[in-house]
Amino acid sequence: GENVEQHPSTLSVQEGDSAVIKCTYSDSASNYFPWYKQELGKGPQLIIDIRSNVGEKKDQRIAVTLNKTAKHFSLHITETQPEDSAVYFCAAGPSYNTDKLIFGTGTRLQVFP
Amino acid sequence: EPEVTQTPSHQVTQMGQEVILRCVPISNHLYFYWYRQILGQKVEFLVSFYNNEISEKSEIFDDQFSVERPDGSNFTLKIRSTKLEDSAMYFCASSEGRGGGEKLFFGSGTQLSVL
Repeated sequence: GENVEQHPSTLSVQEGDSAVIKCTYSDSASNYFPWYKQELGKGPQLIIDIRSNVGEKKDQRIAVTLNKTAKHFSLHITETQPEDSAVYFCAAGPSYNTDKLIFGTGTRLQVFP
Repeated sequence: EPEVTQTPSHQVTQMGQEVILRCVPISNHLYFYWYRQILGQKVEFLVSFYNNEISEKSEIFDDQFSVERPDGSNFTLKIRSTKLEDSAMYFCASSEGRGGGEKLFFGSGTQLSVL
């Protein structure tokens, strides 16, 4: 079945450093790749997404890259701040005939001041 | 900013009891979903709902589960006879359009504990 692998499971960085989280997916038909941030006690919040016709997308300090050939995509956070500390999930959306997102296992990011 | 709201935030129940988890999706959204997250594990799809019927469900969503949109605003998940393994955080989500290419907006979740 479809699967999304996510690494690392935990990531600690110093404030101001960059953080990179990587995901690979199994279903070659996947064409939508969102990233969610989950803070303690809250639901996942969409922070950025990318579609398969684009290789890179940037929104201020956050960027996502997609390599469809290799079936992997990455989240890059630059100039990290303590408020970036959270659990980050990647996800992959299969073909248009299915509704579900397949989520990765999550990365707990801790940014130390 | 519009948001998905869920009640209650926490629910404790005895094994075998029925529970109903409630959600109010974003008002102009047409597609509704339930996902769940067992502690320390990934978020898993349960069911999607559109036009007053289930459009897709996972293997987890067996006969003990049902969903309903009883009025124009609420969307509920019922578990008829809860099991210990149903303990999880349940997230409601909604989207404007259908399919894996639409932005999903999640609620804050209901933490269900089955004792």
